[in-house]
Amino acid sequence: DTGVSQDPRHKITKRGQNVTFRCDPISEHNRLYWYRQTLGQGPEFLTYFQNEAQLEKSRLLSDRFSAERPKGSFSTLEIQRTEQGDSAMYLCASRPRQGAKTGANVLTFGAGSRLTVL
Amino acid sequence: AQSVTQLDSQVPVFEEAPVELRCNYSSSVSVYLFWYVQYPNQGLQLLLKYLSGSTLVESINGFEAEFNKSQTSFHLRKPSVHISDTAEYFCAVSEAWFGNEKLTFGTGTRLTIIP
Repeated sequence: DTGVSQDPRHKITKRGQNVTFRCDPISEHNRLYWYRQTLGQGPEFLTYFQNEAQLEKSRLLSDRFSAERPKGSFSTLEIQRTEQGDSAMYLCASRPRQGAKTGANVLTFGAGSRLTVL
Repeated sequence: AQSVTQLDSQVPVFEEAPVELRCNYSSSVSVYLFWYVQYPNQGLQLLLKYLSGSTLVESINGFEAEFNKSQTSFHLRKPSVHISDTAEYFCAVSEAWFGNEKLTFGTGTRLTIIP
C-alpha cells in the first residue's frame, strides 16, 4: 500500500492552456474524491466517485472542469482554458467501502498537485 | 448546511507549553467531526475523529479533542507541544446522514512552535 499518489506535484501553465492531473487511489478503495485548496483556505469539495460513477459535483466545478474515473481505478481532473483563479492545490483522497454510516468518512489524502496559472 | 469556523489563523506557542486550537461547527443535524494535520509539502493526515460515544477523543501523539454539543465545538488540545508539532491543522465536519459524502473543512490554524 503506497497511499494515494498524485501526478504531477507541480504544474505551471499559461492562462488559456489545458491541464490534467492524475490520481491513483489506494487499490482497495472504491470511493475517490477531489478537493481544491487555495492559499489561506481549507480544502473545498469538488466531486466524488463511487467506482467509475461520478455521483456528486460541487457548484465550484465549472464547465471548464471535468473529472473521470474510467474502470473505477485512477482518476483524472482536467481543467480547460485555465484562468489565474484556478491556481490552487488540487487534492485527491480515497476511502474504502464501509458498512457504517456514509458520513463517517476517514479519507486518505494524497500530497496534492499544485497548479500555478500565469 | 454544514460549516466550520476556525477563529485562529495562526497560533505561536513556546515549546513544552500547552496549546488549544479552536473549532466551532454549524449544522442542523448530527455530525461527525475530524481534525486533520498538514505538514509542509505533505497531504492531509487524519489526527483524530469523533463519530459517537465518548466525547473526548485522543490521538497517538498526545493531542485530544472534546466534542461539546451545547457549544457546537470540537477544540483541539495538547498539554505540551514539541517542535515537530509545527504544521497546519484543519477541523472538518460531516453531517451524519446516509449518502452524505461531503467533508467541510475550516480555513485552518497554523501552529508555530517557538524553541
